[in-house]
Amino acid sequence: DQQVKQNSPSLSVQEGRISILNCDYTNSMFDYFLWYKKYPAEGPTFLISISSIKDKNEDGRFTVFLNKSAKHLSLHIVPSQPGDSAVYFCAAYNYNQGGKLIFGQGTELSVKP
Amino acid sequence: EAGVTQFPSHSVIEKGQTVTLRCDPISGHDNLYWYRRVMGKEIKFLLHFVKESKQDESGMPNNRFLAERTGGTYSTLKVQPAELEDSGVYFCASSLQTVVNPGELFFGEGSRLTVL
Repeated sequence: DQQVKQNSPSLSVQEGRISILNCDYTNSMFDYFLWYKKYPAEGPTFLISISSIKDKNEDGRFTVFLNKSAKHLSLHIVPSQPGDSAVYFCAAYNYNQGGKLIFGQGTELSVKP
Repeated sequence: EAGVTQFPSHSVIEKGQTVTLRCDPISGHDNLYWYRRVMGKEIKFLLHFVKESKQDESGMPNNRFLAERTGGTYSTLKVQPAELEDSGVYFCASSLQTVVNPGELFFGEGSRLTVL
């Protein structure tokens, strides 16, 4: 039973355009949602997060939107750059789970010059 | 400051053999986590140490997997005997406190295990 799902395994975007990565979840008790970025042969690195009481969080070119009624979140990257090419993981967290993150399958973003 | 380090970066073994993966967390981090990503699927939680104690081992697949953290410093994850389905990338992560702000969780580069 997968609680966090990323249904698009890959996404290709032209440099300068917007990248939109999507994530769906089933557990309405999650307190926090996060996006991690992973380059080949490296570990995931934290990118941006959003509390379940918010609907938007912005950090530079990265914005995460949360739609609790639809149990859906998305990561927008504007403008996309070739250096953004990586695998992006959506993850969710519950305060009473002691740091245990529930990850999605990841979406591989390719930003073409 | 050194990050989370894992060894080996890649291990190739035959089915039935034993492999031990090691993780050195960031110095001073009491919380240490093991995760695994199998064949391009999701990254799955295995277990969580607070110092030398297992706080949560609900994600450990079966009793072929043994994790230890003697002295509350580095941790080892032993797979014995290894099976084909154990192939994947094993990530270690550490944090100073039991995570409240998930941005404070730092991952290592992972140990890729290939079981033939």
